[in-house]
Amino acid sequence: NAGVMQNPRHLVRRRGQEARLRCSPMKGHSHVYWYRQLPEEGLKFMVYLQKENIIDESGMPKERFSAEFPKEGPSILRIQQVVRGDSAAYFCASSPPASGSGETQYFGPGTRLLVL
Amino acid sequence: GQSLEQPSEVTAVEGAIVQINCTYQTSGFYGLSWYQQHDGGAPTFLSYNALDGLEETGRFSSFLSRSDSYGYLLLQELQMKDSASYFCAVRGIGNYQLIWGAGTKLIIKP
Repeated sequence: NAGVMQNPRHLVRRRGQEARLRCSPMKGHSHVYWYRQLPEEGLKFMVYLQKENIIDESGMPKERFSAEFPKEGPSILRIQQVVRGDSAAYFCASSPPASGSGETQYFGPGTRLLVL
Repeated sequence: GQSLEQPSEVTAVEGAIVQINCTYQTSGFYGLSWYQQHDGGAPTFLSYNALDGLEETGRFSSFLSRSDSYGYLLLQELQMKDSASYFCAVRGIGNYQLIWGAGTKLIIKP
């Protein structure tokens, strides 16, 4: 009974490159959330998706960032033309459809992005 | 807007009891959640208070008072493995996102 899976666990990019972060929710979960965390800080909400739909992207920068959750396959957080300020831990969380509210979210191990 | 305040750091002794407070400013929310995060690890869910009062789960308890805009996480019989950061979080009415406090780093001394 696998939990939330994220890959890669660590990602190094040079400025201007693209970063693709993947998240596979827990089996049976259809709600996916992406968060960003800087050192010594709390998590900052980025985007909430259900299968094939972006429900709330109010926390995601308008430029360079995009997210999707296709009918088949993992959710993808894509950062184009990365800058040093994008260096952070990116966590994905999922919750079952019945929860609706997403109060109990199950987190993946995160992807640590380092931009050189 | 919504904001949550937590102490940045709390120190306690192994075997003792510690309380981590969370005060919030929000126009309305569904409930208060608590998460634990070890260094380099992912947040894990600890407890959720939808209603005022105390919720107990083993050594951990969580409390909410909506009239006081205040909640806390109580950890009993502290163990070294409880050394971690603890976050409170709320979801505002009509919102999908969880708003997180900055976290409290719990340091446990032998």
